[in-house]
Amino acid sequence: DAGVIQSPRHEVTEMGQEVTLRCKPISGHNSLFWYRQTMMRGLELLIYFNNNVPIDDSGMPEDRFSAKMPNASFSTLKIQPSEPRDSAVYFCASSRQGGTGELFFGEGSRLTVL
Amino acid sequence: SQKIEQNSEALNIQEGKTATLTCNYTNYSPAYLQWYRQDPGRGPVFLLLIRENEKEKRKERLKVTFDTTLKQSLFHITASQPADSATYLCAREEGADKLIFGTGTRLQVFP
Repeated sequence: DAGVIQSPRHEVTEMGQEVTLRCKPISGHNSLFWYRQTMMRGLELLIYFNNNVPIDDSGMPEDRFSAKMPNASFSTLKIQPSEPRDSAVYFCASSRQGGTGELFFGEGSRLTVL
Repeated sequence: SQKIEQNSEALNIQEGKTATLTCNYTNYSPAYLQWYRQDPGRGPVFLLLIRENEKEKRKERLKVTFDTTLKQSLFHITASQPADSATYLCAREEGADKLIFGTGTRLQVFP
C-alpha cells in the first residue's frame, strides 16, 4: 500500500487567498484525522471522520476552516480566507479503528501564508 | 482541559546508554497511551500502544510503562544509537475515537 498521500507537500500563498489541502487515506481504513503542527502548540487535532462522516470538529479554529470527506478515498481541508497565523504543517492520518488503534500519518503539507 | 505533557527540553545522551522519556497526563485517566516517532520533515510513525491494565510493553529495544497511580508513562530506548535521534510523541485517547498528542521530546544520541 502507498500509505496516506497528501498534497501539496508545500504551499506558499498570500493572506486572503483560499487554500485547499488534500488527503487520500489508506484503503480499508474507516477513520480519517486532520492535525495541525506548530512549534508552539505541537500536534493539534482539527477534525476527524468515521466512515466519511465528520464526528468531532471542535478543534477547527474558526469558520475559515472547513473539511469534507465526499468518499472513503478522499478528504479536503480548506482555509478561506487564509491568514499568516495559519502557517503550519497540516497532517492527515487514517486508521482502521478510530483513535483506539494505530494512526498512519501522511508526510504533511507545509503551509506558509505571507 | 485534559492535558498530556512531555518534557519540552531536548534529551541528549551518549550512544549505548538508555534513553528515558516521560509522559504525564492530568485529570482524565486514559484507557491506553500510544508512542510515536517523528523525524524532521516527516509524519509521526507509530511505535507502541500500552493499555491501562498493562504495566509494561516491549518491542525490540523499546520499553513502555504505564503507571496509573502516578498518571505517567515512561518510554525507554536501551542501547541507544545515533539513528534513534528523533522527536518522540506521546498520545492519549479521549473518548471513543480521538487521539490527543503531547508536544513531544526531542532525543539526540551522540557517538
